[in-house]
Amino acid sequence: DTEVTQTPKHLVMGMTNKKSLKCEQHMGHRAMYWYKQKAKKPPELMFVYSYEKLSINESVPSRFSPECPNSSLLNLHLHALQPEDSALYLCASSSIQGSTDTQYFGPGTRLTVL
Amino acid sequence: QKEVEQDPGPLSVPEGAIVSLNCTYSNSAFQYFMWYRQYSRKGPELLMYTYSSGNKEDGRFTAQVDKSSKYISLFIRDSQPSDSATYLCAMSRYSPGTSYGKLTFGQGTILTVHP
Repeated sequence: DTEVTQTPKHLVMGMTNKKSLKCEQHMGHRAMYWYKQKAKKPPELMFVYSYEKLSINESVPSRFSPECPNSSLLNLHLHALQPEDSALYLCASSSIQGSTDTQYFGPGTRLTVL
Repeated sequence: QKEVEQDPGPLSVPEGAIVSLNCTYSNSAFQYFMWYRQYSRKGPELLMYTYSSGNKEDGRFTAQVDKSSKYISLFIRDSQPSDSATYLCAMSRYSPGTSYGKLTFGQGTILTVHP
């Protein structure tokens, strides 16, 4: 089973709201990722967690706050977002074994900031 | 110059045609090559994964890697309307001592297969 699940599927929030995006995988992967994708553009990496520790933060504004409670879960806490943060937020996971590397993506959360 | 170049199209073909999608890259350190399919408003779905130069076939899909030319291709035989999607090439390099990968994506090619 190569499934990554994300909730919610859609989210509309105001600029003063606080919300969270959730991601879950049960493939035993120890690396998890958050990406942001704007229309007609490829995904842009935001954060990487490896063994539940933050390994990469691609200079993401502090209004985005990631959290990895355990090896299967990844959250993205949102606060004081701007309308330009509206996008599809994708979670992915991967397993590095020897020389292999494949990332599996979830369906995404479509976020609209009013 | 971008590390990975991919013609965004759009590409429109009749049902049953053979589709060729391509990416070029400049970084010879890339070792892993992937093709993702992304339907509108959905997450990318891993289609093909290759490590070495050569061909890899899976049903109607064939992935081809030519490391000497820094060129990868995805061929779709007997294309169907359900193949209409954006196709993203992606590549990564192995970094010893790390346990995660960092993908570099092409811009994506929008494909429409019309009946």
